[in-house]
Amino acid sequence: DTEVTQTPKHLVMGMTNKKSLKCEQHMGHRAMYWYKQKAKKPPELMFVYSYEKLSINESVPSRFSPECPNSSLLNLHLHALQPEDSALYLCASSQGQGATEAFFGQGTRLTVV
Amino acid sequence: AQTVTQSQPEMSVQEAETVTLSCTYDTSESNYYLFWYKQPPSRQMILVIRQEAYKQQNATENRFSVNFQKAAKSFSLKISDSQLGDTAMYFCAFMKLPIIQGAQKLVFGQGTRLTINP
Repeated sequence: DTEVTQTPKHLVMGMTNKKSLKCEQHMGHRAMYWYKQKAKKPPELMFVYSYEKLSINESVPSRFSPECPNSSLLNLHLHALQPEDSALYLCASSQGQGATEAFFGQGTRLTVV
Repeated sequence: AQTVTQSQPEMSVQEAETVTLSCTYDTSESNYYLFWYKQPPSRQMILVIRQEAYKQQNATENRFSVNFQKAAKSFSLKISDSQLGDTAMYFCAFMKLPIIQGAQKLVFGQGTRLTINP
């Protein structure tokens, strides 16, 4: 199993809603990532969890709240988003120490209305 | 800070032709990796090929090969015998070493949209 599974595939939410994005992998990877990708732009790193601890936060606004309940699961909790937060949110994982290949999911297309 | 530049926003070739995508980068690091990722319409980023900076030999993966010029900070991707399934957005990416606590930090270029025509 070399898959990173993201749910949902599409999400439309209002600015006052609270929603969560979910990412799961069963490859035994110990590092998991959230990226944000605007249309026709490259992915931008948001957060990295390494061995279930938050190791990188790229100065992301607090309306985005990551959570890593266990080594296979990564969530991104969303609250009070703005229309400019509409984007493709990609999850990725890598093996951990010394690993150079990241495996990506197919993303969640988020629209904030 | 590292920057990655892809100067070709779009390219288009006929099936079976060879195409080369350009990438330059700027860094003061001496130890790093370079990657090419493709993103087809399915949206999933897929690793195409990687190159370790300390290796002089250019990486190859089947129809994909790179021309790595470390002094010029250039890392181009050559796709031979192009196929319709190669149609995708291609991103060049940089990662400095060491990888701290297993957490990679990829810096992507702006991407090149490649279309393979039948």
